This record gives sequence, C-alpha cells and structure tokens, in this order.
Amino acid sequence: DAEITQSPRHKITETGRQVTLACHQTWNHNNMFWYRQDLGHGLRLIHYSYGVHDTNKGEVSDGYSVSRSNTEDLPLTLESAASSQTSVYFCATGVDRMGNKQFFGPGTRLTVL
Amino acid sequence: DQQVKQNSPSLSVQEGRISILNCDYTNSMFDYFLWYKKYPAEGPTFLISISSIKDKNEDGRFTVFLNKSAKHLSLHIVPSQPGDSAVYFCAARVDMNYGGSQGNLIFGKGTKLSVKP
Repeated sequence: DAEITQSPRHKITETGRQVTLACHQTWNHNNMFWYRQDLGHGLRLIHYSYGVHDTNKGEVSDGYSVSRSNTEDLPLTLESAASSQTSVYFCATGVDRMGNKQFFGPGTRLTVL
Repeated sequence: DQQVKQNSPSLSVQEGRISILNCDYTNSMFDYFLWYKKYPAEGPTFLISISSIKDKNEDGRFTVFLNKSAKHLSLHIVPSQPGDSAVYFCAARVDMNYGGSQGNLIFGKGTKLSVKP
C-alpha cells in the first residue's frame, strides 16, 4: 500500500543545532507539504513543493528550508533550531493539481531545549 | 488574521446523538472546503469535502453543510460513536483563479470532539 513515512518520530535537540526531518512518500504525488501543529494554532504551512526542484515558502517559513531532488522525498531542515520551533511536524502529499485532499504522515514531535 | 475559524475548542456529545461541528471563514475566494479528523499521535485523515457550488455533501454518517452567504460550514455526525472522538479540522482552499496556490489549504485551529458511551 502507498504511504507517507516520517522520521524520526520523536527528536530532542539543542538550540542552535541543525536538524533535518525526513518525509518519504510512495503515492507518487507531485505535491508535497510541510506543516507544523501547535496548540492554539492548528496546522500552519511551512513549505511546499509542486515537483522535483520546485520549492515554495508557506505561512511560517522563517528558519526552515526544504529541497526536492526526487518525487518521493521532501526533507525539512531547521538551520539553527530555536525553542520556538518545538512543535509537531506533519508532512503531506497532494493527490492532484486541484489539491482536493491531502494525505498526511504520522508526524514528528520535535523538542528544542 | 485567521481566515478559517473554529470557535469551539471542544464539544462533548452522548453516543447515538448528533454531533455538530462549526466552522466560519472570512475569505470569499475560498472555493473548496474539507474536514479532517485527527487521532492523538497520528496524522490528520481526510473525512469529507464540499465545493463552494454546493450546499450539502453527505457520506454515510457524515454530512457537511455550506452556507456561503453566512460564510459558515458545519459537519454533522449522526449517530455519533465513541470512535468519532478526535480533533476535527476545517480547511479551505483559495480559488486558483483568484490567486490561490495549487493545492494549498488553510486550516482552522480544530475542535476536540468527545463522544461519551
């Protein structure tokens, strides 16, 4: 079955460290998204990609970067982790150009101390 | 400024009764609305959607109603079951003809539904 996997599922790091969260999908979807979920804010879009070598900034992109070298993967990098980036991160893929629905991964809980 | 609002952070309902989750929006350029359900420690899963050209969409126990003039939509679950206990997110998409980005969704903060046996 097609799926989205995220790794690690839990991560504790220190302020100032670089952190990369992995997202891998076997849906063969062109559209991929990264969200963060925080209490009182719901899901907020960080970065998104419509295909290989395409990346775009979302609502809360400061301090994050992504790269898309193939269809299956969209890693999210925190260049210099900050305590404000403690959150649960979700990767998602879009089923078609209309974005009628998105499929989400299980999430990564990141704690920045 | 929040474009998709779920003003009730939580809702408690008795098993077998109706659950009504509400969502308000401010952007007239939204053309598609979706509901997602999220269990703890899992990613959100798609539940049901509705196009702005419709006012109702039904899928089994789940019905979504859209009132464009009031910029309001609601999700009805009938009958409610304990397994429906989860956080429900309302999401909306901006019409691509009005500057919306392909496939990007704007989410509300979520409503936690508890269905008691």
